[in-house]
Amino acid sequence: KAGVTQTPRYLIKTRGQQVTLSCSPISGHRSVSWYQQTPGQGLQFLFEYFSETQRNKGNFPGRFSGRQFSNSRSEMNVSTLELGDSALYLCASSLGSQENNYGYTFGSGTRLTVV
Amino acid sequence: TQLLEQSPQFLSIQEGENLTVYCNSSSVFSSLQWYRQEPGEGPVLLVTVVTGGEVKKLKRLTFQFGDARKDSSLHITAAQPGDTGLYLCAGPYKLIFGTGTRLQVFP
Repeated sequence: KAGVTQTPRYLIKTRGQQVTLSCSPISGHRSVSWYQQTPGQGLQFLFEYFSETQRNKGNFPGRFSGRQFSNSRSEMNVSTLELGDSALYLCASSLGSQENNYGYTFGSGTRLTVV
Repeated sequence: TQLLEQSPQFLSIQEGENLTVYCNSSSVFSSLQWYRQEPGEGPVLLVTVVTGGEVKKLKRLTFQFGDARKDSSLHITAAQPGDTGLYLCAGPYKLIFGTGTRLQVFP
């Protein structure tokens, strides 16, 4: 079966711009979670969507937002980009149980560089 | 807030050596997952441990979940260059990730 697909793979944006990243989960998976990974902070949880509703949210400013569509595909948006937003953004899909013992499948990520 | 601390942070060894990586928390977890991440890619799930005291083996990798379900360890026997990567432990809810152990195995 197809894995988790993230697009685009690489992105360069200028400070102040906004960006939209896309994630297509594994077929049948209803939960999509987003993470930001930087060398200094490691992997940090942004938010999780389940059945088009945001179920959990991490400690990121309101400039970071997301949504999920009826086909479970998800997008995240970052507005008013800052240099510190440069990171690898990863999405992960799962079946969706709150206490997930089945593991998450990650995409290859979108490398965002803000200049 | 549940936190997962991993040690060591960095590990650089020669091919053929054995090593152990630790994942510790002050909180009890219903399960813990271990992932390996290679540069430029997303983490890949290696194993999920669920029962306190559980031991799972994946070829040369041995995973153990502490009796109190607050800690876990990953032991690699006869490490190979292909084991190089970032090893992450994670809790099940909101997938809280540990701080990670970066392993480099030299031929």
